[in-house]
Amino acid sequence: TQLLEQSPQFLSIQEGENLTVYCNSSSVFSSLQWYRQEPGEGPVLLVTVVTGGEVKKLKRLTFQFGDARKDSSLHITAAQTGDTGLYLCAGAQGGGATNKLIFGTGTLLAVQP
Amino acid sequence: DAGVIQSPRHEVTEMGQEVTLRCKPISGHNSLFWYRQTMMRGLELLIYFNNNVPIDDSGMPEDRFSAKMPNASFSTLKIQPSEPRDSAVYFCASSLFGTALYEQYFGPGTRLTVT
Repeated sequence: TQLLEQSPQFLSIQEGENLTVYCNSSSVFSSLQWYRQEPGEGPVLLVTVVTGGEVKKLKRLTFQFGDARKDSSLHITAAQTGDTGLYLCAGAQGGGATNKLIFGTGTLLAVQP
Repeated sequence: DAGVIQSPRHEVTEMGQEVTLRCKPISGHNSLFWYRQTMMRGLELLIYFNNNVPIDDSGMPEDRFSAKMPNASFSTLKIQPSEPRDSAVYFCASSLFGTALYEQYFGPGTRLTVT
């Protein structure tokens, strides 16, 4: 069974601090996505990375795909209260065999004012 | 453009009753996924369809759960009979099968409470 382990599980920080969330697996993925879920809503896609070593930036968020396409990280600079939510990574096997995603265990982030 | 639409948003029912959850995917998307989310188990894939055909239902908990997709713009997830342990948030998501990105777009979810 493929697993995507995220760490940390929970994170509570003050506004203005930096943080990094990790997403690790022993499996190789053709692409990896990050989602953010706010209370009472569905997950919202933030970014997709497809190339080993790829780095993508979305304002204060920086996403990196590992060279071997088995892991990823999300770095937030100068966190704001609006960044609060559940962050989920999700990997795709690709190759046309299946288009389902393997979702990570999630990181719950609380940014305090 | 309208996103994925789910109804109802909240459902409270008594044990033993039938529950039907509904989903309208994004127009033009040809893959549809049903998920269940709980604090204990996180986000679990129940079943998914490509071009209205069920591809993988290995996540469906038991025979009490069934899902249909009669056409490209509508799907249902039915629980009969419902049990308290079915209480969770159920999400529907859609995507465009055939692209290399596998990006999924989620609806707002249905919060189910079985008493």
